[in-house]
Amino acid sequence: DVKVTQSSRYLVKRTGEKVFLECVQDMDHENMFWYRQDPGLGLRLIYFSYDVKMKEKGDIPEGYSVSREKKERFSLILESASTNQTSMYLCASSLVIPNYGYTFGSGTRLTVV
Amino acid sequence: KQEVTQIPAALSVPEGENLVLNCSFTDSAIYNLQWFRQDPGKGLTSLLLIQSSQREQTSGRLNASLDKSSGRSTLYIAASQPGDSATYLCATSGTYKYIFGTGTRLKVLA
Repeated sequence: DVKVTQSSRYLVKRTGEKVFLECVQDMDHENMFWYRQDPGLGLRLIYFSYDVKMKEKGDIPEGYSVSREKKERFSLILESASTNQTSMYLCASSLVIPNYGYTFGSGTRLTVV
Repeated sequence: KQEVTQIPAALSVPEGENLVLNCSFTDSAIYNLQWFRQDPGKGLTSLLLIQSSQREQTSGRLNASLDKSSGRSTLYIAASQPGDSATYLCATSGTYKYIFGTGTRLKVLA
């Protein structure tokens, strides 16, 4: 089975800190995605990557950046965390054409205080 | 631009009922449609994936159907159980990026 692993289930960070969220997949998927999920707003795409060192902005990229140095790893970076970035962050991966759908990680609940 | 809608937003049923969750989409040029389950505070778990050439998929008590021409998919849950309580989301894609519905929050009462 494809596995997508997010390094932390829960994180608490202070305002202004630089935060790294890590995601690793083990099935050689080309595409990787970062979403945030908030009550009443559903899943919103932050960034995605379709290849190593390639990235595309999603719907809400402001305040975030990403890094994909290796195919299996996709990192989300909060350059200077703010309280409005408190959220559930979900990583997903898929083949380049998602014939087999998306596979999600278990999520990281980030609280910024 | 693809839009995905799920109705109802919330549903509460007694244990044992058969139920149908609905998902509609505006652009029929899709690769597939995927149903997910999400428990509170957890990630999304894939339930069923229907390819664009297929009409339905089944897994245990779950059956998902796809009608591209009408832009609809349904998730049928037979003999519901309290353990089925969760949020159910559908998602579909015209390219390589999914569009998600906002989900149906299901509560099955014992």
